[in-house]
Amino acid sequence: EIVLTQSPATLSLSPGERATLSCRASQSVGTYLAWYQQKPGQAPRLLISDASNRATGIPARFSGSGSGTDFTLTISSLEPEDFAVYYCQQRSTWPPVTFGGGTKVEIK
Amino acid sequence: EVQLVESGGGLVKPGGSLRLSCAASGFTFSNYNMNWVRQAPGKGLEWVSSITSGNYIYYADSVRGRFSISRDNAKNSLYLQMNSLGADDTAVYYCARDLLNLNYFDSWGQGTLVTVSS
Repeated sequence: EIVLTQSPATLSLSPGERATLSCRASQSVGTYLAWYQQKPGQAPRLLISDASNRATGIPARFSGSGSGTDFTLTISSLEPEDFAVYYCQQRSTWPPVTFGGGTKVEIK
Repeated sequence: EVQLVESGGGLVKPGGSLRLSCAASGFTFSNYNMNWVRQAPGKGLEWVSSITSGNYIYYADSVRGRFSISRDNAKNSLYLQMNSLGADDTAVYYCARDLLNLNYFDSWGQGTLVTVSS
């Protein structure tokens, strides 16, 4: 089973700042990686699929990059509604798909 | 608009059973692979089970032999029969639709809480 490790666990930033989140896979997943956003009390929302494809309706300030074992989610300029927990997920070796442990982006 | 609405959660004793349902609307349910994903309180996401549009079925090792996924395309509904429940099964259970059957999850229900406790 592929293990996804997200870092940092918590990112403290101010609105308007750039956020850079990392996801590292225990073995190559190609570009078969997605990113989700989850706010308290809500279901996750798909942001990015196949490492860099924004999902429908996702603002352009969200971008994904990477391949193999190292991936990055970048939020170019944080809006107040972007403070949330972010998860990566791989589908390279489905089943199972696996998720990372999450990165919480909090207001500094 | 795609909608997924879960039901059937609740409090159950260890060793007990529960059946979750997910009512789907706003898309052609029969064309999509569907999934259950769970989240223990304060924890991350864990994939539980998938059923493809062609009725191929897959389970996480943690639930195989205890949980059973099924679908009724005529009723636009997804189900999860959960048996031999333990404390580790306590979680919010989400129904989730596959994005283009690519094993990413593009639509989620609001979740239903299953609590296993004596």
